[in-house]
Amino acid sequence: GAGVSQTPSNKVTEKGKYVELRCDPISGHTALYWYRQSLGQGPEFLIYFQGTGAADDSGLPNDRFFAVRPEGSVSTLKIQRTERGDSAVYLCASSLRPSTDTQYFGPGTRLTVL
Amino acid sequence: AQSVTQLDSHVSVSEGTPVLLRCNYSSSYSPSLFWYVQHPNKGLQLLLKYTSAATLVKGINGFEAEFKKSETSFHLTKPSAHMSDAAEYFCVVSDRGLGGSQGNLIFGKGTKLSVKP
Repeated sequence: GAGVSQTPSNKVTEKGKYVELRCDPISGHTALYWYRQSLGQGPEFLIYFQGTGAADDSGLPNDRFFAVRPEGSVSTLKIQRTERGDSAVYLCASSLRPSTDTQYFGPGTRLTVL
Repeated sequence: AQSVTQLDSHVSVSEGTPVLLRCNYSSSYSPSLFWYVQHPNKGLQLLLKYTSAATLVKGINGFEAEFKKSETSFHLTKPSAHMSDAAEYFCVVSDRGLGGSQGNLIFGKGTKLSVKP
């Protein structure tokens, strides 16, 4: 079946602009996760949804970052007033349930802030 | 809090020789541990996972890992490297909050595996 998809694959924006990154999880997966991977580093957790609600947003770096999942499927990560330090690959993953279920990752969105 | 340490940032082997990628973990709970692989310009792929069943876990592409509680280690091995194994490998622990599991993953910094012909 279809895996996790993310759009766009690449996004170049200017400092101070607003961006939205989209994630389509595997159909039927209730848990959805966002991670950020900076160059040369492992992915770092940002936020986790169980259904429509954010069960844990402790990884969001500041209030410029926000994510929604209004219908419990597609999720959008929103970044306001982008900064050059936000440049990274943003990864989305989904799992059938949380806890120890395998997380399946999308290909990521590479965000470049000029 | 849970954490993982990958002891080598870069490992280079010759094709046909064994692979050893080292990982130590720290966890207050019985951990769930994973190895993921990331090929250039491709998404993360699960190689194998340990969830408190057998301590020797077999994964895809001939990889396996052994959970050693006494050493808090979860090293990844493969008997014979192939050119296609060249990639970045991440050791991962599943975060568990107090009183239960949350499920978000905590990644190590990664080990880049190079395979020489």
